[in-house]
Amino acid sequence: AQSVTQLGSHVSVSEGALVLLRCNYSSSVPPYLFWYVQYPNQGLQLLLKYTTGATLVKGINGFEAEFKKSETSFHLTKPSAHMSDAAEYFCAVTSTGGGNKLTFGTGTQLKVEL
Amino acid sequence: NAGVTQTPKFQVLKTGQSMTLQCAQDMNHNSMYWYRQDPGMGLRLIYYSASEGTTDKGEVPNGYNVSRLNKREFSLRLESAAPSQTSVYFCASSVNGERYGYTFGSGTRLTVV
Repeated sequence: AQSVTQLGSHVSVSEGALVLLRCNYSSSVPPYLFWYVQYPNQGLQLLLKYTTGATLVKGINGFEAEFKKSETSFHLTKPSAHMSDAAEYFCAVTSTGGGNKLTFGTGTQLKVEL
Repeated sequence: NAGVTQTPKFQVLKTGQSMTLQCAQDMNHNSMYWYRQDPGMGLRLIYYSASEGTTDKGEVPNGYNVSRLNKREFSLRLESAAPSQTSVYFCASSVNGERYGYTFGSGTRLTVV
């Protein structure tokens, strides 16, 4: 079975600082990888995804992530944090067994401080 | 664009009561899913339906049943609610195929007392 590990359940950055949220996965086959964002009391919204091709993927709101096969990582970054980026972020990977099932990490709560 | 619609948004149940969570999507997606979200545990798959007429168990199916009523609708039923089922429940749908990801509903916050 595939799994996802998000290092750091809470990350705090200053407004304007670099955002780095870490995600590592385990997979015996080439994965498809996703980052979702959840604002308070809302559902999850797709930020970006890696399927094939270019390993640096750009998403919405200035976020990007790089697929590194050798490190089994898919870390999410943003050069300059904004107050509106405060939310919970989930990394996800496709799982085996069919049905297009995603396996989610446990999430990272991002706090942005003035 | 309605996307994925879940009802109700909030519900309080007494232990032993039953209820059905409703989910409908208007995107002509083939696959639909029910997840529960608990603090520190991320999202865990309860049941999914890869296509109309099929349903399968996910990671945490005990205490739940599902019905894929038609291509649009996928309901989740709690036959005898327990406090351990207090959670936020999300329905999601997908075109099909692993590369597309999911579209999520806004969730149902369920409390069992």
